[in-house]
Amino acid sequence: KQEVTQIPAALSVPEGENLVLNCSFTDSAIYNLQWFRQDPGKGLTSLLLIQSSQREQTSGRLNASLDKSSGRSTLYIAASQPGDSATYLCAVSFYSGAGSYQLTFGKGTKLSVIP
Amino acid sequence: GAGVSQSPSNKVTEKGKDVELRCDPISGHTALYWYRQSLGQGLEFLIYFQGNSAPDKSGLPSDRFSAERTGGSVSTLTIQRTQQEDSAVYLCASSLEGVEVLGNSPLHFGNGTRLTVT
Repeated sequence: KQEVTQIPAALSVPEGENLVLNCSFTDSAIYNLQWFRQDPGKGLTSLLLIQSSQREQTSGRLNASLDKSSGRSTLYIAASQPGDSATYLCAVSFYSGAGSYQLTFGKGTKLSVIP
Repeated sequence: GAGVSQSPSNKVTEKGKDVELRCDPISGHTALYWYRQSLGQGLEFLIYFQGNSAPDKSGLPSDRFSAERTGGSVSTLTIQRTQQEDSAVYLCASSLEGVEVLGNSPLHFGNGTRLTVT
């Protein structure tokens, strides 16, 4: 069974700091890994998607890396801003058997950026 | 452009009543997912629709839960004889293609329906 773990569960940093969020998964046979952002009372917003054949993806101040063999991904946020405060979730897509494909999510890291 | 739309945004119901939750995916998206998010828990997979294929219902927690997708577009999630443990936020997501095609289609989520069973 695929399990996704995110560490830390919560993180508080001063504005301007660079930070790294971690995601690990137990089964390396994945199709892709996605990082999402969730604001309170809202759905999830896709930030970055890394295909299994890729090593990293970048979007603005965000950089996500993927090491499939070790079952790890990191989300790097440069020059953090108060507007980055949210819960960040990672999810892996994988073949779950009998012709079905699923995504499994971690429980997220709640980030607070202090002005 | 229009995103994934879910209705109602909030639903309070009495234990034992049936509820129906609706999801309008992004037009042209072939894949549609339902997830449940409980306080302090991660997202729990419920059901996955992909085109005209039989849906993957393996995540539905009991036979009180059912879902359908009409015409490859709108989906409804029905919970019969609701229980207090059904209280959660129910999230719907769609993607242009199923993960098995290219593995390159990000999920687009709606804002969810917050269900409270009293």
